[in-house]
Amino acid sequence: DGGITQSPKYLFRKEGQNVTLSCEQNLNHDAMYWYRQDPGQGLRLIYYSQIVNDFQKGDIAEGYSVSREKKESFPLTVTSAQKNPTAFYLCASSISLDPSEQYFGPGTRLTVT
Amino acid sequence: SQKIEQNSEALNIQEGKTATLTCNYTNYSPAYLQWYRQDPGRGPVFLLLIRENEKEKRKERLKVTFDTTLKQSLFHITASQPADSATYLCALSSGGGADGLTFGKGTHLIIQP
Repeated sequence: DGGITQSPKYLFRKEGQNVTLSCEQNLNHDAMYWYRQDPGQGLRLIYYSQIVNDFQKGDIAEGYSVSREKKESFPLTVTSAQKNPTAFYLCASSISLDPSEQYFGPGTRLTVT
Repeated sequence: SQKIEQNSEALNIQEGKTATLTCNYTNYSPAYLQWYRQDPGRGPVFLLLIRENEKEKRKERLKVTFDTTLKQSLFHITASQPADSATYLCALSSGGGADGLTFGKGTHLIIQP
């Protein structure tokens, strides 16, 4: 059963703590993405990776970090430097050919207090 | 700056009628445009993709048009059903490989029985 998994679905952290969100895909896609969604807002791109061991900043990368050590995995770390970390985080993947549709995971809702 | 506008107010349509959603953009020359469906608390699901040199695309009860002169895309759902109720997102890409998409805020569609 192919798809993208994100865990956990809900995550609670205290302010000042770093937290890592998991994203795994078994679709054999080369490209992976992280988006953030705030209430009533569109998705905003945080980071994306077109190939293993390479990634690029999106529109709102400040306060976030990523790694791409394996094709299947693209974890996102929300650091204490992110001023407004509470949001709904979505991971997606696509084949690297252009154009291509993106497949999204179920999302992780992060609440920082 | 690049801007994508979708009707921020909810769109109420009677079951069986055609629902038409609008996506307008400025300061952008997209190579292609995509439409996604998002249900509450879930990740978006891809529906249709249309390229800049295509005027219209159809898939079952769905139809998308793309007018690069007007900088507008229209998304139609014919014979609408209550199960079509969701938020519909418009997303643009300049086509630079497997880069991330730029999303609109979405239009909340409600199909009333």
